[in-house]
Amino acid sequence: GENVEQHPSTLSVQEGDSAVIKCTYSDSASNYFPWYKQELGKGPQLIIDIRSNVGEKKDQRIAVTLNKTAKHFSLHITETQPEDSAVYFCAASEGSGGSYIPTFGRGTSLIVHP
Amino acid sequence: GAVVSQHPSWVICKSGTSVKIECRSLDFQATTMFWYRQFPKQSLMLMATSNEGSKATYEQGVEKDKFLINHASLTLSTLTVTSAHPEDSSFYICSATNSGGSYGYTFGSGTRLTVV
Repeated sequence: GENVEQHPSTLSVQEGDSAVIKCTYSDSASNYFPWYKQELGKGPQLIIDIRSNVGEKKDQRIAVTLNKTAKHFSLHITETQPEDSAVYFCAASEGSGGSYIPTFGRGTSLIVHP
Repeated sequence: GAVVSQHPSWVICKSGTSVKIECRSLDFQATTMFWYRQFPKQSLMLMATSNEGSKATYEQGVEKDKFLINHASLTLSTLTVTSAHPEDSSFYICSATNSGGSYGYTFGSGTRLTVV
């Protein structure tokens, strides 16, 4: 089965700095890679996703890069703000619907200091 | 965008009683729903996968007689924790997707269950 490793487990940055969270996966059949933000006491929210036919995707301050050869993908947050503080999860899946089951990383606690 | 509504957001129950948690997809047909359990500062632990109209598929180690899952319609799935005990106290989260995967996996807001 799929195995997703996520690093670092904790990331502390100053407001305005960039933050990078990295994930690796093991199953070459995976082709859908979503990223979720989870605030305390809430469910995870999808913030960006990428499919294997694309190498990079951006949405304002958030970007995701994918290297299929190396089987790793990363989340980049620029100009971090205190409200970016949360736990971020990466996931990998063979598809994004039907009965495909995503495998999640262990999460990264991002702390943005004002 | 896709919205999944989960209720209740929190519940306290006595040991031995049963609790039902509802998960509804508001603007898409959820052909598949997932139920997760999350312990503090940990990742999501998949409990079961349910397809509309079919019996749920439980992950290894999850007691299907204790955690009853019903997915009778394309917009509603329920998780019933039967004969709850303090060790069942946890954060339960549902997730839903449609057959084409156009919405990815959308999560509910979670339910904090406390068994006293």
